Amino acid sequence: GAGVSQTPSNKVTEKGKYVELRCDPISGHTALYWYRQSLGQGPEFLIYFQGTGAADDSGLPNDRFFAVRPEGSVSTLKIQRTERGDSAVYLCASSFAGANSPLHFGNGTRLTVT
Amino acid sequence: GENVEQHPSTLSVQEGDSAVIKCTYSDSASNYFPWYKQELGKRPQLIIDIRSNVGEKKDQRIAVTLNKTAKHFSLHITETQPEDSAVYFCAASIRTGAGSYQLTFGKGTKLSVIP
Repeated sequence: GAGVSQTPSNKVTEKGKYVELRCDPISGHTALYWYRQSLGQGPEFLIYFQGTGAADDSGLPNDRFFAVRPEGSVSTLKIQRTERGDSAVYLCASSFAGANSPLHFGNGTRLTVT
Repeated sequence: GENVEQHPSTLSVQEGDSAVIKCTYSDSASNYFPWYKQELGKRPQLIIDIRSNVGEKKDQRIAVTLNKTAKHFSLHITETQPEDSAVYFCAASIRTGAGSYQLTFGKGTKLSVIP
């Protein structure tokens, strides 16, 4: 079946603007994750959803970052007042049974803040 | 220190030789340890994983070993091929500040297999 789908694949925005990044997980996967990957680094945990609720948002760097998953499927990561330091690849992943089961990653959204 | 440390950061081997990548972790309660392969510009893909009730797992040319006492685990690739060239990440389920267990990744090892 289809894998995790992320749109857009690339996003260039000016400092101070608002952006939304979308993730469509694998059908039937109740767990959804957002990670951020900077150049030359491993993915860094941001937030975890189980169903519609954010079960753990301890990885969000500050209150400019917010994510929703209103119907328990598609998720949107929202970044307000973007800063150049927000530039990275934002990866979404889903899994069938939570963090101790394999995570399936999407291709990511490459965000560039100019 | 880092929750998950990975060594080496770069590794070059001749085609046909073996490659070994090592990781250590900090949380003694961690119980899930996957390895991901990421080719340039692509998504991380799971290649093998191991749980804490098992000491070793093998899948064709790839094997992972886990030493829970020492809190380290390793990836072994035998008979390397040029298509094995990629960045490899280890990960461990680490308890977050909110109390759930989430995968924490190492910084990656860039493996180059020389034909």
